[in-house]
Amino acid sequence: SQTIHQWPATLVQPVGSPLSLECTVEGTSNPNLYWYRQAAGRGLQLLFYSVGIGQISSEVPQNLSASRPQDRQFILSSKKLLLSDSGFYLCAWSRGVQDEQYFGPGTRLTVT
Amino acid sequence: EDQVTQSPEALRLQEGESSSLNCSYTVSGLRGLFWYRQDPGKGPEFLFTLYSAGEEKEKERLKATLTKKESFLHITAPKPEDSATYLCAVQAWSGNTPLVFGKGTRLSVIA
Repeated sequence: SQTIHQWPATLVQPVGSPLSLECTVEGTSNPNLYWYRQAAGRGLQLLFYSVGIGQISSEVPQNLSASRPQDRQFILSSKKLLLSDSGFYLCAWSRGVQDEQYFGPGTRLTVT
Repeated sequence: EDQVTQSPEALRLQEGESSSLNCSYTVSGLRGLFWYRQDPGKGPEFLFTLYSAGEEKEKERLKATLTKKESFLHITAPKPEDSATYLCAVQAWSGNTPLVFGKGTRLSVIA
């Protein structure tokens, strides 16, 4: 069966510090991978998605970036965090872009 | 632009009091509509996919239905453990765009 991992589970970072969140998927190959941010009252906001190694699509302009160095690894990064980057970050995978997505446990990021 | 609107934003039910959650959508050709359950502090859990008007799917006390403009998630005789936020998402046929999510309905079931 497939499993998706995210770490860390929680993170408190000062404004201006860098960020690296990692997501890995087990039990499948060539998954489509997604990064979402969920803020209170705003629902799920798609940040990035990837259909293959090195292929990243950005959905919204921001100071975040994503990379996919390996088939089942997806990384969300920032060089300098803003207060507005606080939120609940979710990674998800799917077999195809148009298939149901399966979510990881999430990372709660607080920027202070 | 594809849009999903869920109502109500929050719903409070007594245990055993059946009700329905609504998901209205605007999409340029619906390929699929997805329902998820999300518990506080956790990632959403996939429940159902519906593909065509008239289709229904059931899981325990939950039944999802689909029309050409909206979907309903019916909850029959809910229990406190059904308390969660329920999210709806749509997938269009056009292009390779991923799912578009609604903001969810926060359900509380009181014993």
